Amino acid sequence: ELQLVESGGGLVQPGGSLRLSCAASGFTFSGYSMTWVRQAPGKGLEWVSYISSSGSSMYYTDSVKGRFTISRDNAKKFLYLQMNSLRDEDTAVFYCVRETLYSFASWGQGTLVTVSS
Amino acid sequence: QSALTQPASVSGSPGQSITISCTGTSSDIGNYNFVSWYQQNPGKAPKLMIYEVNKRPSGVSYRFSGSKSGNTASLTISGLQAEDEADYYCCSYAGDLGWLFGGGTKLTVL
Repeated sequence: ELQLVESGGGLVQPGGSLRLSCAASGFTFSGYSMTWVRQAPGKGLEWVSYISSSGSSMYYTDSVKGRFTISRDNAKKFLYLQMNSLRDEDTAVFYCVRETLYSFASWGQGTLVTVSS
Repeated sequence: QSALTQPASVSGSPGQSITISCTGTSSDIGNYNFVSWYQQNPGKAPKLMIYEVNKRPSGVSYRFSGSKSGNTASLTISGLQAEDEADYYCCSYAGDLGWLFGGGTKLTVL
């Protein structure tokens, strides 16, 4: 059974850092591109970042460029999101999502990141 | 990166059909046949309902269908059922901009 399990969320002060992790199982992780999608409390979905199956290509939404870094470890079957210089507006549930045919078929349960002083 | 435009809410009675629109631009919906739709229930992760404009993943009811004309995509739910009540989001691949989501539409089954 395919599983994506996020961890690493929590409360952090503005300007702080956090690293999210996503443990993948039940599929050939190295064969799929992965993304992070977030959802602020009571708000809609927002695509955050993408990484190709090999890890050679990464893309980000404008609001996180220069602050967030996506990476992956195909041997360990983990996806990561390093988040620096966090802002209040980064408060959200962050979902680890497998990308297939330019859509998002498989989602984790999400991990909540709260940026507040 | 502006979000795609969806109506905030739609409603319908059981058995009826409803359509949710999703308007983008020639840089996203109008340029790619990579429109997808997601259903989200409260406190749950989204679920893929439609991909590549009009394709249904295995296990998704035939009552859900998608289409696209120009810069606007649509999700139609026929034979509305109480279990369809949820939030629905459209999404389009946008090339160098990555992916854009709509603001979401709350479907109420009366």
